[in-house]
Amino acid sequence: DAGITQSPRHKVTETGTPVTLRCHQTENHRYMYWYRQDPGHGLRLIHYSYGVKDTDKGEVSDGYSVSRSKTEDFLLTLESATSSQTSVYFCAITAGSTDTQYFGPGTRLTVL
Amino acid sequence: SQQGEEDPQALSIQEGENATMNCSYKTSINNLQWYRQNSGRGLVHLILIRSNEREKHSGRLRVTLDTSKKSSSLLITASRAADTASYFCATSGGANNLFFGTGTRLTVIP
Repeated sequence: DAGITQSPRHKVTETGTPVTLRCHQTENHRYMYWYRQDPGHGLRLIHYSYGVKDTDKGEVSDGYSVSRSKTEDFLLTLESATSSQTSVYFCAITAGSTDTQYFGPGTRLTVL
Repeated sequence: SQQGEEDPQALSIQEGENATMNCSYKTSINNLQWYRQNSGRGLVHLILIRSNEREKHSGRLRVTLDTSKKSSSLLITASRAADTASYFCATSGGANNLFFGTGTRLTVIP
């Protein structure tokens, strides 16, 4: 998984609670991404980062915020989780001169 | 949306047969990539084809790109049970962002 770890790997939470997912990389890659994967929708970009404290919105950013205070960590926060945010969340990085992406193992989040 | 669409959504073949899946997209691209996802795992990059290329090979994989039709195909030859996975195309228009399709689920029957 290209030195990318995600934590937690599984989480069950209740509607209205805050949730933070962590993506950690060990190779100082500049670009990091958060996606969600849902049946029938493929992967959809939530937010991405192009450097420390530099982030931007993706296709489905509503209800999510991100932070990147260190090169190696990219955090995804659900301020008040809703059942529609039940999904599998993947972190990815871009390495090399092309925009090929390398993915972490995913976090399965269930919001009850 | 720039998102690609794969066709078929699901494909079931016998081991040893070839598998072909297609991807269509909507806007101009810099390159198109194919990824594979085994159940419960993250996506793994398979192959990249640039917009000025028409065909590319990697092992048992053959990718074609027709920019005039905004379409690509992935051919897996001599399939194996281990090829069972979902396959996604992803298009890049620049800015280091990719747009993924909804995937083709391939089942290879031993």
